[in-house]
Amino acid sequence: GAVVSQHPSRVICKSGTSVKIECRSLDFQATTMFWYRQFPKKSLMLMATSNEGSKATYEQGVEKDKFLINHASLTLSTLTVTSAHPEDSSFYICSAPPGQGKDEQYFGPGTRLTVT
Amino acid sequence: QKEVEQDPGPLSVPEGAIVSLNCTYSNSAFQYFMWYRQYSRKGPELLMYTYSSGNKEDGRFTAQVDKSSKYISLFIRDSQPSDSATYRCAMTTDSWGKFQFGAGTQVVVTP
Repeated sequence: GAVVSQHPSRVICKSGTSVKIECRSLDFQATTMFWYRQFPKKSLMLMATSNEGSKATYEQGVEKDKFLINHASLTLSTLTVTSAHPEDSSFYICSAPPGQGKDEQYFGPGTRLTVT
Repeated sequence: QKEVEQDPGPLSVPEGAIVSLNCTYSNSAFQYFMWYRQYSRKGPELLMYTYSSGNKEDGRFTAQVDKSSKYISLFIRDSQPSDSATYRCAMTTDSWGKFQFGAGTQVVVTP
């Protein structure tokens, strides 16, 4: 089946620094990718929709200047958490539909961000 | 009211028992329904996918969708300790759209 990877799997950064998380579709092209944030014992929260070649669409309440999304190619979307704070510590997951005519959505393994 | 409601559990069952999970939803426009399994510190893994109402079976897993009642279920037969995970329902109005997730139910299968 379709595979989505994320890198890094976990990262620890200091408060005030920025960190970039990559999401790649390994065996298919994804014009759209989704970024989620997961809080402990909570559901996944959709943060934004990443569109190849255009600006991302952010959900209400998500700071687009803080969570920068770049979908530079059909297989890569990046999420950059800028000026990270401890409250940004979370599990970030991306997903992508594998292609036209296929309705499933495949998730990356997630990236655990810890801001100290 | 949340669009998707799911009991967070935990749900503890003995090995070999049937695990019964369900979600209710309020948006009648949902057409695509999925169940994901998520192990601790891992991303969600797609288990079952159904379109509109009906049943779907895959091995030990059976998914049911009742759109008239806005209710979906997942059954796991002959449960194994390796089935211990968080199971999360998800649904969307169209196949390319945003997903709405349930809170996830933690399942513990005891040997």
